Amino acid sequence: GAGVSQSPSNKVTEKGKDVELRCDPISGHTALYWYRQRLGQGLEFLIYFQGNSAPDKSGLPSDRFSAERTGESVSTLTIQRTQQEDSAVYLCASSLARWNEQFFGPGTRLTVL
Amino acid sequence: GQNIDQPTEMTATEGAIVQINCTYQTSGFNGLFWYQQHAGEAPTFLSYNVLDGLEEKGRFSSFLSRSKGYSYLLLKELQMKDSASYLCAVKDDYKLSFGAGTTVTVRA
Repeated sequence: GAGVSQSPSNKVTEKGKDVELRCDPISGHTALYWYRQRLGQGLEFLIYFQGNSAPDKSGLPSDRFSAERTGESVSTLTIQRTQQEDSAVYLCASSLARWNEQFFGPGTRLTVL
Repeated sequence: GQNIDQPTEMTATEGAIVQINCTYQTSGFNGLFWYQQHAGEAPTFLSYNVLDGLEEKGRFSSFLSRSKGYSYLLLKELQMKDSASYLCAVKDDYKLSFGAGTTVTVRA
């Protein structure tokens, strides 16, 4: 597709379960970002991937959160032992390089019961 | 740390003009972005300012004053489809720091 895609679009899970969210960036984009958007709040930076460099994980809120990226393609964000405060929309974005405009995906709405 | 403030809500009439202000205090600055986000959708890029002054793009204009840590987004000739949340974001190297967003409601 032409844009950033994410799956699933919605995920409802029970507290304590693990979830995996997927992001397919725009082809050719070397930079990939994950953000979290809680209700009524701004987007929070979570993690940044640039090519084969070590990712910037400084925004991950706890060690329950992890992310991987295979080369310059798909990325997965994993949340282990989910908590109710993890409920949010998780947005992925990609850019041609670190200096360029970020294009956002539609997000995954995560609800932890 | 990063501190980015914008009003929570604004309401305006179709055909009118609305100005959304954004003030920021950030440790680094490589430009300021405005995004539009309709409910349940991805943010989409509206404008980018890195130098002081006004950038005009059709019905939308954005202004930046780096010395004052201030920007505004001006929406002219408002249309119903402009009802959305408008996000102010400051770039520091590759990171974007966002304000909480301003929800604009356009009434007939």
